[in-house]
Amino acid sequence: DVKVTQSSRYLVKRTGEKVFLECVQDMDHENMFWYRQDPGLGLRLIYFSYDVKMKEKGDIPEGYSVSREKKERFSLILESASTNQTSMYLCASSLLASGRASDEQFFGPGTRLTVL
Amino acid sequence: QKEVEQDPGPLSVPEGAIVSLNCTYSNSAFQYFMWYRQYSRKGPELLMYTYSSGNKEDGRFTAQVDKSSKYISLFIRDSQPSDSATYLCAMSAVNFNKFYFGSGTKLNVKP
Repeated sequence: DVKVTQSSRYLVKRTGEKVFLECVQDMDHENMFWYRQDPGLGLRLIYFSYDVKMKEKGDIPEGYSVSREKKERFSLILESASTNQTSMYLCASSLLASGRASDEQFFGPGTRLTVL
Repeated sequence: QKEVEQDPGPLSVPEGAIVSLNCTYSNSAFQYFMWYRQYSRKGPELLMYTYSSGNKEDGRFTAQVDKSSKYISLFIRDSQPSDSATYLCAMSAVNFNKFYFGSGTKLNVKP
């Protein structure tokens, strides 16, 4: 079974802090994704990566950056956390290589981040 | 206009009822259609995956795609309290990594 793990289930940070959210997948998947999930807005894509050291902006990249130094690990960074970044953050991975047909995304359990 | 529209509910039904969940979309390029189930405080998990138009059945679950109307449905027969969750539709175009998600419909099946 594919397993996607996220470093924290719950996180509380203060405005202006630098925040790191870590995601690890154990199935050698090519693609990894970071979403945020907010009531009434569904899942919105922040960034995705289709290879090590490669990244693409999603729909709402402002205020976020990402890092993928190893294939199994994809980190989301909030350079200076703000209250409007309080949300549920979900990491996902998929086997799909760029240019092929769409493939299932496997999700981690999520990190509920509160910025005070 | 959002790419994918989904009624947020909540939808409350008695145990044993037939449940119908729906999404509409605007992009005619979408070819892959998925339904994810998300239990409280968990990540979404894939429930059904359909390519192009038609029906797909898996146990008590049936997914339908009507590309002419840009409308997809998920039917749950003999609903159980364990089906209580938020159901998210998702869709994608061919050769494209990005999924577009609906906002999710919260379902409550009462014993």
